[in-house]
Amino acid sequence: AQSVTQLDSQVPVFEEAPVELRCNYSSSVSVYLFWYVQYPNQGLQLLLKYLSGSTLVKGINGFEAEFNKSQTSFHLRKPSVHISDTAEYFCAVSSYSGNTPLVFGKGTRLSVIA
Amino acid sequence: GAGVSQSPSNKVTEKGKDVELRCDPISGHTALYWYRQSLGQGLEFLIYFQGNSAPDKSGLPSDRFSAERTGGSVSTLTIQRTQQEDSAVYLCASSLGSGIGYEQYFGPGTRLTVT
Repeated sequence: AQSVTQLDSQVPVFEEAPVELRCNYSSSVSVYLFWYVQYPNQGLQLLLKYLSGSTLVKGINGFEAEFNKSQTSFHLRKPSVHISDTAEYFCAVSSYSGNTPLVFGKGTRLSVIA
Repeated sequence: GAGVSQSPSNKVTEKGKDVELRCDPISGHTALYWYRQSLGQGLEFLIYFQGNSAPDKSGLPSDRFSAERTGGSVSTLTIQRTQQEDSAVYLCASSLGSGIGYEQYFGPGTRLTVT
């Protein structure tokens, strides 16, 4: 079984400042990792995913994440945030076995302050 | 093209009543998932359909919850004898296949409030 821990439930940050949203996972098997974003009153949208290969993954809207197997982490970063980045961010894992649903963290609410 | 759609967008019901939530996946997507998003609980998997295979019901919280998928397309999640703890946003997602390389596309959700 897998589990995901998002260490911060809320992260306030000033516009144009950098941000890091932390995600740690636990699994007895190899996993795939994802970050989703949920804007107010909308469904989830995939930001980026790590399946294999380079541990630094670039996604949409200037976000990137780095897979660290030894620390079982997949932290999300953006060098300069905008007001429009205000949303809920979810980290998720799925096992290599494929036909398994995503296991999500509880989410981090990013609030960008002008 | 059209994304995943869900109806109704909001549903208020009285405790003890049955409710049905509908999901229209993206055309051609063979895999369909239901998740529940509760305050403080994050997103929880409920049930998963892949083609004609038997659904994976391992996430259903109780036997009051059931789901079906007709013709490999539209899905209905039914909650019988609703309880206040069923209040949540119910999200549906679909993907082209069940392999992990296939992205799940989420609908906007149905917000269920049980009074």
